[in-house]
Amino acid sequence: DAGVTQSPTHLIKTRGQQVTLRCSPKSGHDTVSWYQQALGQGPQFIFQYYEEEERQRGNFPDRFSGHQFPNYSSELNVNALLLGDSALYLCASSWGHDSYEQYFGPGTRLTVT
Amino acid sequence: AQKVTQAQTEISVVEKEDVTLDCVYETRDTTYYLFWYKQPPSGELVFLIRRNSFDEQNEISGRYSWNFQKSTSSFNFTITASQVVDSAVYFCALSEAGDYKLSFGAGTTVTVRA
Repeated sequence: DAGVTQSPTHLIKTRGQQVTLRCSPKSGHDTVSWYQQALGQGPQFIFQYYEEEERQRGNFPDRFSGHQFPNYSSELNVNALLLGDSALYLCASSWGHDSYEQYFGPGTRLTVT
Repeated sequence: AQKVTQAQTEISVVEKEDVTLDCVYETRDTTYYLFWYKQPPSGELVFLIRRNSFDEQNEISGRYSWNFQKSTSSFNFTITASQVVDSAVYFCALSEAGDYKLSFGAGTTVTVRA
């Protein structure tokens, strides 16, 4: 049973650049959520995708956008990167009819210099 | 607004000691869900347990046990006979009905020394 996978593992970008992170959900799951975890803090909810639509969004600026594909995989895009965007980005998957129980991937460590 | 407080920042114990992690939550909803996750140094959040607000039964799973008390808005987690492999950051999280985001506490770092 394949778990949640994310790519890449690590990424280094320069301020002002754009980045795309990818996530494949756990087998049988159709919903993907994205979280940002700054060092020493708990994860913060960015948004959730269900049926290829953004179902819910947290308090993040429009520079953060996403997409869900027909195979339920998802992308997180961040434009105009700031130093403060440096964090661990976690993807979580769940089943649409009970999206409260979320299973997380290993994360992508983004460093903005 | 929902909120989760984990007052303990760090706990250090010697192997085989018991350790209890505190979690206090705030919500106006009558239906909500509580979770505990473990984050080892590798970074991946590992799901440990989910509790629904209408089910106050305590639960035991191996060396792990959870105590849910709605009267005090607490959902505490105990590791019995701790092992070095239990060293990790533990997060308590809350989700309200109809609100799919998980709201996490700040986490408690547990260090188990051999």
